[in-house]
Amino acid sequence: EAQLVESGGGSVQPGTSLRLSCAASGFRFEDHAMQWVRQAPGKGLEWVAGISWDSDTIGYADSVKGRFTVSRDNAKRSLYLRMNSLRDEDTAFYFCARSGGTFVDDAFDVWGQGTVVTVSS
Amino acid sequence: DIQMTQSPSTLSAFVGDRVTITCRASQSVNSWLAWYQQKPGKAPRLLMSMASNLESGVPSTFSGSGSGTEFTLTISSLQPDDFATYYCQQYHSFPTFGQGTKLEIK
Repeated sequence: EAQLVESGGGSVQPGTSLRLSCAASGFRFEDHAMQWVRQAPGKGLEWVAGISWDSDTIGYADSVKGRFTVSRDNAKRSLYLRMNSLRDEDTAFYFCARSGGTFVDDAFDVWGQGTVVTVSS
Repeated sequence: DIQMTQSPSTLSAFVGDRVTITCRASQSVNSWLAWYQQKPGKAPRLLMSMASNLESGVPSTFSGSGSGTEFTLTISSLQPDDFATYYCQQYHSFPTFGQGTKLEIK
């Protein structure tokens, strides 16, 4: 069974950094693009970043462009999100999700349970 | 960026009712449209992709239609387990989600 497990969330001050990780199991990680999606408390889903199977195509939401960096290590079956210059509005549940295929532009067919990031002074 | 707009934002209905949720894109996304269901405290679940292709395990009471800029999700006979929040998502370009439709029990 395909499974994604996020880690690395926590409570931090504005302006600081955090690195999220997502460990994949139960499927061929290198056959899929991967995504980060977030959900602020009581709000809807917001796509944050996506990375193709070979890291050749990477995309970001405008709200995080220049501050967040997505990466992956296929040998370690892991996805990462480096978050710099964190703001109050980055407070959210962060989900890791799998694209159905190798492209970033795809539906997300497997989701992790999420990790919480709280940015507050 | 392609903007996705869902209506209504909230929908109240009885068990057994037929309900329809609409999703509009700010420009054509062809059929690159997915629907998700999310329950409180849980991760979203993919219901269908390509506007109308049901995922394995999703009840046949769910159906999707549309192409271009206008799409619908229909539940033909609401079951207690269907009360949740529903999101559309385009993946014609970098993905974007609609704001969600909360389906409440009346």
